[in-house]
Amino acid sequence: GENVEQHPSTLSVQEGDSAVIKCTYSDSASNYFPWYKQELGKRPQLIIDIRSNVGEKKDQRIAVTLNKTAKHFSLHITETQPEDSAVYFCAPKRTGRRALTFGSGTRLQVQP
Amino acid sequence: DVKVTQSSRYLVKRTGEKVFLECVQDMDHENMFWYRQDPGLGLRLIYFSYDVKMKEKGDIPEGYSVSREKKERFSLILESASTNQTSMYLCASSLSSTGNQPQHFGDGTRLSIL
Repeated sequence: GENVEQHPSTLSVQEGDSAVIKCTYSDSASNYFPWYKQELGKRPQLIIDIRSNVGEKKDQRIAVTLNKTAKHFSLHITETQPEDSAVYFCAPKRTGRRALTFGSGTRLQVQP
Repeated sequence: DVKVTQSSRYLVKRTGEKVFLECVQDMDHENMFWYRQDPGLGLRLIYFSYDVKMKEKGDIPEGYSVSREKKERFSLILESASTNQTSMYLCASSLSSTGNQPQHFGDGTRLSIL
């Protein structure tokens, strides 16, 4: 099965700073790399994903970068805002595998 | 928009009871999943189903069973509830069996076993 590690487990930044969360995986056949955001008391929701034929993807203030050789991918949030405060989960997967394997989560706190 | 509905937001049961958690999705998704979420442990997969009457064990299936008699409905069953099953339970669905599509989650059921 897939071994997934997320770092850091908690992250506190000042509003306007950048935040980076890293996800390391073990299955070299993984080819789909999503990030989910879970605000307090709410359901997890997909915020961005990338496939293995792409090294980087950006959507406004969030971006994901992939290093297939090193088997890790990262979530980058620029110009952080208080509404970015949440728990973020990575969940790498390979085609043919039915289920995602979630990391243990990173709690991001953006201080106003 | 995909809607995944869990029958209860909060539930309190007693040790030894048989507990049913229900989940319904309205988008004709093939896959449905049950996770439990505990602080510091992320989302751990209990069971999933890729078709009616089909099921596969996830990472932590002990003490649980599931039922999928209709495509839109996936039930999680705690055969004899124990206090270590107190947790947040999340249901999710996704479109196709093995492709790479996002999972859509319900609001969760916070289950307390006394």
